Amino acid sequence: DIQMTQSPSSVSASVGDRVTITCRATEDVSIWLAWYQQKPGKAPKLLIYAVSSLQSGVPSRFSGSGSGTEFTLTIDSLQPEDFATYYCHQAKTFPRTFGQGTKVEIK
Amino acid sequence: EVQLVESGGGLEQPGGSLRLSCAASGFTFFTYEMNWVRQAPGRGLEWISHISSSGRTIQYADSVRGRFTISRDNARDSLFLQLDSLKTEDTAVYYCARLSGSGRHIDYWGQGTLVTVSS
Repeated sequence: DIQMTQSPSSVSASVGDRVTITCRATEDVSIWLAWYQQKPGKAPKLLIYAVSSLQSGVPSRFSGSGSGTEFTLTIDSLQPEDFATYYCHQAKTFPRTFGQGTKVEIK
Repeated sequence: EVQLVESGGGLEQPGGSLRLSCAASGFTFFTYEMNWVRQAPGRGLEWISHISSSGRTIQYADSVRGRFTISRDNARDSLFLQLDSLKTEDTAVYYCARLSGSGRHIDYWGQGTLVTVSS
């Protein structure tokens, strides 16, 4: 199975900050890497797919990059509505797997 | 508008069974692959099952294989998950999720249904 490890597990940041979350896979996942945002009590929401493609309707302050086994989600100029938990997800092979999540908290 | 509405969750005893349903609307259901993903209280997301658009290809996580059964009724735009031999560790919110037509990622999620396994 491909294991996905996110770092950090949590980050405290202020409105306007740039936040970077890293996701590492134990095997090459090619382009099959997506990022999701989840707020308490809500379903996850797709932000980025195919490593760096922005889902329709998602603000351009979100961006994704990386290749092979190391990927990054960047949030430029953090907004109040961005405080949430973020998950990476590999869809290259079964079983599909998610990172453990990164909680972005208000400093 | 794409909508996925789960139902069927509730409280069940260990060893019991439940059947979850997901009603899909706003898209041509029979052309999309579907997944179930769960989230235990205070924990992260866990993928548990996949079904192809035709229903012929099915995959499971090791944690549920042999106990859970995914199925779909394309005539009724519905996805199902039969949960048998329930364990306390199956307690979670269960999400129905659609896979993008152009890729393998999940692009839409239902609101989830809570399954609680407890004596």
